[in-house]
Amino acid sequence: DAGVTQSPTHLIKTRGQQVTLRCSPKSGHDTVSWYQQALGQGPQFIFQYYEEEERQRGNFPDRFSGHQFPNYSSELNVNALLLGDSALYLCASSFDRSNYGYTFGSGTRLTVV
Amino acid sequence: AQSVTQLGSHVSVSEGALVLLRCNYSSSVPPYLFWYVQYPNQGLQLLLKYTTGATLVKGINGFEAEFKKSETSFHLTKPSAHMSDAAEYFCAVSGPTSGTYKYIFGTGTRLKVLA
Repeated sequence: DAGVTQSPTHLIKTRGQQVTLRCSPKSGHDTVSWYQQALGQGPQFIFQYYEEEERQRGNFPDRFSGHQFPNYSSELNVNALLLGDSALYLCASSFDRSNYGYTFGSGTRLTVV
Repeated sequence: AQSVTQLGSHVSVSEGALVLLRCNYSSSVPPYLFWYVQYPNQGLQLLLKYTTGATLVKGINGFEAEFKKSETSFHLTKPSAHMSDAAEYFCAVSGPTSGTYKYIFGTGTRLKVLA
């Protein structure tokens, strides 16, 4: 049973560019959350998608946007990249909005140069 | 607002010794509490969780944690450390009410196991 799948695993972008990260949730899960983990820090909540809508959002600027598709997969888009956006981006999935313990993917390591 | 404090960014123990990783939380409502482990270049793996019921929670790999409301703590323990336990550990809090679904993570504790 596949867990949470994220792509790509690593990415290097230039300041000012735009990036799209992708996530396929664990089979049977319908809720996707995105987290940013800067080096040496704990993950920070970006937003959560359920039923193709953004249900909750953390303290991140509008440059960060997302989408959830009918098959529950999700994308995270970041526009106008800054050096400070360099981080590990983690996707987490769960079932029926339950926060009884998300399943996390291995993440996408984004480096902005 | 909810918050999590993990005391000790680095903890070293000898193989076979007791592991104790500390986590204190702040929450205005009874929280859900979690411990996750992160190995290098990997995502987070759920070790254990407290939602309701028994305050002593057993998880995977021999870890357990006890929810102490009076102390607002949820410390993680393991009786005997193994070399494979070396990793980063994160405590997280979430609220079951008011539509609060996000996790608030602590800054993590890196566990080193000495041979």
